[in-house]
Amino acid sequence: AQTVTQSQPEMSVQEAETVTLSCTYDTSENNYYLFWYKQPPSRQMILVIRQEAYKQQNATENRFSVNFQKAAKSFSLKISDSQLGDTAMYFCAFMKHEGGGADGLTFGKGTHLIIQP
Amino acid sequence: DSGVTQTPKHLITATGQRVTLRCSPRSGDLSVYWYQQSLDQGLQFLIQYYNGEERAKGNILERFSAQQFPDLHSELNLSSLELGDSALYFCASSGRDPTPGNTIYFGEGSWLTVV
Repeated sequence: AQTVTQSQPEMSVQEAETVTLSCTYDTSENNYYLFWYKQPPSRQMILVIRQEAYKQQNATENRFSVNFQKAAKSFSLKISDSQLGDTAMYFCAFMKHEGGGADGLTFGKGTHLIIQP
Repeated sequence: DSGVTQTPKHLITATGQRVTLRCSPRSGDLSVYWYQQSLDQGLQFLIQYYNGEERAKGNILERFSAQQFPDLHSELNLSSLELGDSALYFCASSGRDPTPGNTIYFGEGSWLTVV
């Protein structure tokens, strides 16, 4: 079974700063996918970014980028030029390749990110 | 708007009762997932359906059941409800193929409060 660990329950930064959220995972799988989801106060789950384990290049989506270290089983999220609207819970998630996506996503417990004005 | 529709958005019911949560996936999506989010358990995968067939089971209690209908909408049935079943229940859907890594889109969730 896979496990996902987010070691930072809460983080707070000033607007416009850069912040990095940590995520580690444990798996015996070689092919898998990693995701970061954002859950604002509205509770909607919004996909922020995804990474395929077979790709060495780190994924980037505008102000969001990841640092994927497969050997270390680490998948951190960097948010540049943070904005007030980035305030949310951030969940790291794992999906294995085998089984065609069955079993869905395994989530970490989340990091509550607060952007201060 | 993710395109995944869940009803009802909020529900309050008494212990021992039965409720049904409904989900309409994004247009064209064949896979439907159900997740439970509670304070103590976090986000947990319950069950997945693909094109009407059950594909995977997670931490779903025997008191809970689900199905996916020919029009691809899905229902999650929760029976003999207990206080601990109070949670936010998410439905999610993903692409036409059961291709691993297809983006999974979430609905807004159904808040269930058991009193």
